[in-house]
Amino acid sequence: AQSVTQPDIHITVSEGASLELRCNYSYGATPYLFWYVQSPGQGLQLLLKYFSGDTLVQGIKGFEAEFKRSQSSFNLRKPSVHWSDAAEYFCAVGVNEKLTFGTGTRLTIIP
Amino acid sequence: EADIYQTPRYLVIGTGKKITLECSQTMGHDKMYWYQQDPGMELHLIHYSYGVNSTEKGDLSSESTVSRIRTEHFPLTLESARPSHTSQYLCASSESGWYNEQFFGPGTRLTVL
Repeated sequence: AQSVTQPDIHITVSEGASLELRCNYSYGATPYLFWYVQSPGQGLQLLLKYFSGDTLVQGIKGFEAEFKRSQSSFNLRKPSVHWSDAAEYFCAVGVNEKLTFGTGTRLTIIP
Repeated sequence: EADIYQTPRYLVIGTGKKITLECSQTMGHDKMYWYQQDPGMELHLIHYSYGVNSTEKGDLSSESTVSRIRTEHFPLTLESARPSHTSQYLCASSESGWYNEQFFGPGTRLTVL
């Protein structure tokens, strides 16, 4: 069965600093990968997705992610975070029309 | 802008009560999903539907039931709520062809006393 690991439960970065959130997956075939963001009291919003092709994927809000098959990773990056980026971030793998989510990484932004 | 709605947003009830969590979408999506999310935990799929009169159980066993009589409506029912049902419930929908993104509602936070 597929699984997703987000090793960082909580990350704190300064506003304007760069960000990388880690995601590792376990799946036998080529995965379909997603990053979602959840603001407090809200549902999830899709940031970006990878199905095939270019391994560097651009998303909304200035986020990007890179698929690395050799490392089974799909890390999310942003060159300069804004206070509004504070939220919970979930990585997910899609198999058989269903999503399996990681446990999430909570991002805190300090001035 | 996704148009998927959940009511109520917050619900506090006593043990043994029957409850229905409402989920509606105006996008005409065939597929709809219910997830359960505990604080600091991942989302677990508890029910899904691929269209009218189609319902399936998800990966996480749940005592809740669902129905899909209309495309836009996918309610979740607990016949007798218990404290163990306390959680956040998120509804989502997507177009056919699973590579399409799932749009999520704002969630219902349920507390059973």
